[in-house]
Amino acid sequence: QKEVEQNSGPLSVPEGAIASLNCTYSDRGSQSFFWYRQYSGKSPELIMSIYSNGDKEDGRFTAQLNKASQYVSLLIRDSQPSDSATYLCAVAKLWGGSQGNLIFGKGTKLSVKP
Amino acid sequence: DAGVIQSPRHEVTEMGQEVTLRCKPISGHNSLFWYRQTMMRGLELLIYFNNNVPIDDSGMPEDRFSAKMPNASFSTLKIQPSEPRDSAVYFCASSSSGQPQHFGDGTRLSIL
Repeated sequence: QKEVEQNSGPLSVPEGAIASLNCTYSDRGSQSFFWYRQYSGKSPELIMSIYSNGDKEDGRFTAQLNKASQYVSLLIRDSQPSDSATYLCAVAKLWGGSQGNLIFGKGTKLSVKP
Repeated sequence: DAGVIQSPRHEVTEMGQEVTLRCKPISGHNSLFWYRQTMMRGLELLIYFNNNVPIDDSGMPEDRFSAKMPNASFSTLKIQPSEPRDSAVYFCASSSSGQPQHFGDGTRLSIL
């Protein structure tokens, strides 16, 4: 079983729509959850972090975490063509109070059509 | 503030040559991570350091790969001898305690 799973996509949405990206993880001991955005040929860029069950909103982005279901999602409202990228879900345990290594999913490619 | 700095940005070399990738973490960050990204396998952790000490090197593919962190502001990842299957983008990332990781721009490595 893969540790962090994401649909590879591509996920195509029209401009202005809501894009919904999903991620499941296998290790119940995971405590930190992140969404990174990666444009083609660029490095991953952190866009959201979430540590407790529920929703966390930041501008057009909302991260949702359900530890019982081992499920993390990212909603992008009012999607823009500039949101077109690959979105990587990452999960970490804590080690000695510091963040341990991140386990990444393979990413979901999002395409927002004008 | 300067981000994570990696060098070189691109490296093309022939099979069997030694390759050294370099990373300068963000000042004040005490954790440093080396990742490899390929289309087939995605982003994989190779090794990470905490306070300059290697904590987990289970992702290092084989003995041809080695990593050092001689001080808090510098790390190297070395491949000797290099093989075509080592071709990938190698990222370095750093973080401070309990904080998310920030990535460098990566080194695109091609082994001919």
